[in-house]
Amino acid sequence: QVLLLESGPGLVKPSQTLSLTCTVSGHSINSHNFYWHWIRQHPERGLEWIGYVSYSGTTYYNPSLKSRLVISADTSKSQFFMSLSSVTAADTAIYYCALRRSNYYGVGLDPWGQGTLVTVSS
Amino acid sequence: QSALTQPASVSGSPGQSITISCTGTSSDIGGFNFVSWYQHHPGKAPKLLISEVSVRRSGISDRFSGSKSGNTASLTISGLQVEDEADYYCESYTIRSTMYVFGTGTTVAVL
Repeated sequence: QVLLLESGPGLVKPSQTLSLTCTVSGHSINSHNFYWHWIRQHPERGLEWIGYVSYSGTTYYNPSLKSRLVISADTSKSQFFMSLSSVTAADTAIYYCALRRSNYYGVGLDPWGQGTLVTVSS
Repeated sequence: QSALTQPASVSGSPGQSITISCTGTSSDIGGFNFVSWYQHHPGKAPKLLISEVSVRRSGISDRFSGSKSGNTASLTISGLQVEDEADYYCESYTIRSTMYVFGTGTTVAVL
């Protein structure tokens, strides 16, 4: 059973960089065709797909965040990461990590972590 | 990015059936059978219910079913139960550069 756990600072100052970690247990992070995703939920709003890092290290980002975003992985630690620079209050959200077990677009995200709230405020 | 459109809330009595719609465009829902549905109890991890429009995840009750017509996907919950009270989100692959897009979310209330 794959389990995901997000961690990171709950509070980030405007213009700084938001850095989050997703720790994976129960499966190898470099298993073939595993795609590790980040998603966020703004307060009182729906979900926004952020991007992913694949089992082989390739990445794909939401174009609206691409200029500020880096997603990477450390297979030795079974962790993957996201870093979002130049944050503003608009980046305040609950951030989730999740797994998609295929490069087939029809496969859903399963499982998800419980999420971590990040507030951008001075 | 343009999110998929869902009703903000849907309600029903125990035992009834409800349907949640998810409307997109030919660039996403209408163009592909790549729609997933998630159940989210606030404070918990979202849970995958359905993939590929209508394929239930293993272990998910057959009270949950998915379908699609044109640019609109639907999730039907039959035999509504109190524990079905949650937020529900659709997700679709899109040919736009965002690759994936979520719905605006629907809160289900069991009256």
